Amino acid sequence: DVKVTQSSRYLVKRTGEKVFLECVQDMDHENMFWYRQDPGLGLRLIYFSYDVKMKEKGDIPEGYSVSREKKERFSLILESASTNQTSMYLCASSQLGRVSYTFGSGTRLTVV
Amino acid sequence: GENVEQHPSTLSVQEGDSAVIKCTYSDSASNYFPWYKQELGKGPQLIIDIRSNVGEKKDQRIAVTLNKTAKHFSLHITETQPEDSAVYFCAASYGSWGKLQFGAGTQVVVTP
Repeated sequence: DVKVTQSSRYLVKRTGEKVFLECVQDMDHENMFWYRQDPGLGLRLIYFSYDVKMKEKGDIPEGYSVSREKKERFSLILESASTNQTSMYLCASSQLGRVSYTFGSGTRLTVV
Repeated sequence: GENVEQHPSTLSVQEGDSAVIKCTYSDSASNYFPWYKQELGKGPQLIIDIRSNVGEKKDQRIAVTLNKTAKHFSLHITETQPEDSAVYFCAASYGSWGKLQFGAGTQVVVTP
């Protein structure tokens, strides 16, 4: 069964901490995405990557960075967590040229 | 960029009735329109999609219609069952690299 795995289901971090959210896919997909999900706002694209070491900003990249050192792993980094980054974070992947996403189960991050 | 609006935000239906969710999009270049279902505690899962060269697509109790001229598409669920209770997201493709713009989501509640 193909999968996108997010390392943590729930995380609680303190304001100012550096936070790493990890995502691994086993489908050999080229594209990987990080979305943020908030009630009433749907899913908003933070960053995406179409190849190793390649990254593009999405709609809301401020306060975030990403890393893709290996094809199967895409990390989202909050350089200095703030309370307004409390949210559900979803990772997704897709094949190059395809628009059919496979999502992970999400990481619910609370910044206190 | 692309803008996707989704209505209603919540939908309560009696078991056995039909449910309809409507979305509009802004980018006339969009050519792929998927629908995702998100159950509690899980990531969104693709349930049906439609491409711009097709007006309607059915899969058992769910169907999607697309009106490219009016730039809107709809999800229809017939004979609803309690397991249809979930959040549903519409999306439209945009730009390059297989990106999707999501609607804000519809919480569907099916009451027995």
